[in-house]
Amino acid sequence: NAGVTQTPKFQVLKTGQSMTLQCAQDMNHEYMSWYRQDPGMGLRLIHYSVGAGITDQGEVPNGYNVSRSTTEDFPLRLLLAAPSQTSVYFCASSQQGLVTGELFFGEGSRLTVL
Amino acid sequence: LAKTTQPISMDSYEGQEVNITCSHNNIATNDYITWYQQFPSQGPRFIIQGYKTKVTNEVASLFIPADRKSSTLSLPRVSLSDTAVYYCLVKTGANNLFFGTGTRLTVIP
Repeated sequence: NAGVTQTPKFQVLKTGQSMTLQCAQDMNHEYMSWYRQDPGMGLRLIHYSVGAGITDQGEVPNGYNVSRSTTEDFPLRLLLAAPSQTSVYFCASSQQGLVTGELFFGEGSRLTVL
Repeated sequence: LAKTTQPISMDSYEGQEVNITCSHNNIATNDYITWYQQFPSQGPRFIIQGYKTKVTNEVASLFIPADRKSSTLSLPRVSLSDTAVYYCLVKTGANNLFFGTGTRLTVIP
């Protein structure tokens, strides 16, 4: 019953460093998506994927890169971390779509950029 | 940029019905309205989804007027375990998906 697994749960970076947030799902869902959640704000869509090999941008894609080589995995890359990217990141998967049907979320990854 | 708006917070006593409204003026014509619940340090969890009129499941009801510019989540007889943040989610275009800013519900004994 793993569902959506995100790693790491916590990470501290220095400005300019790079890192990858991992997301894996074991439900064979076609749709996967990444969100950031900042204090006082709802979740904002960063990137999403409608299937292996297909990705697209959401509301706040700048500074982030994604790829979807398998159905199960959807990593989020920060190439040059900036303090503005300090946030909690959530990955989600769904079978029917981003809005149609239920999104299954991971537990989140808390990132601090100094 | 049109998005979604919700009340920031609400308080309710145990056993009362709670209604939380989300305004979404520019919702896409053919997409659903979905509500999620989030506890601290956890990812959001699906509550209910609807397209129009009224939808009910074992935990909540969702009321959507004909113009679909708003939606109301109704939680019957809340308990302390319902204390959480509640978000509406709508789509306003092909790639424009918006969560509301969230309503923090506090249930008082």
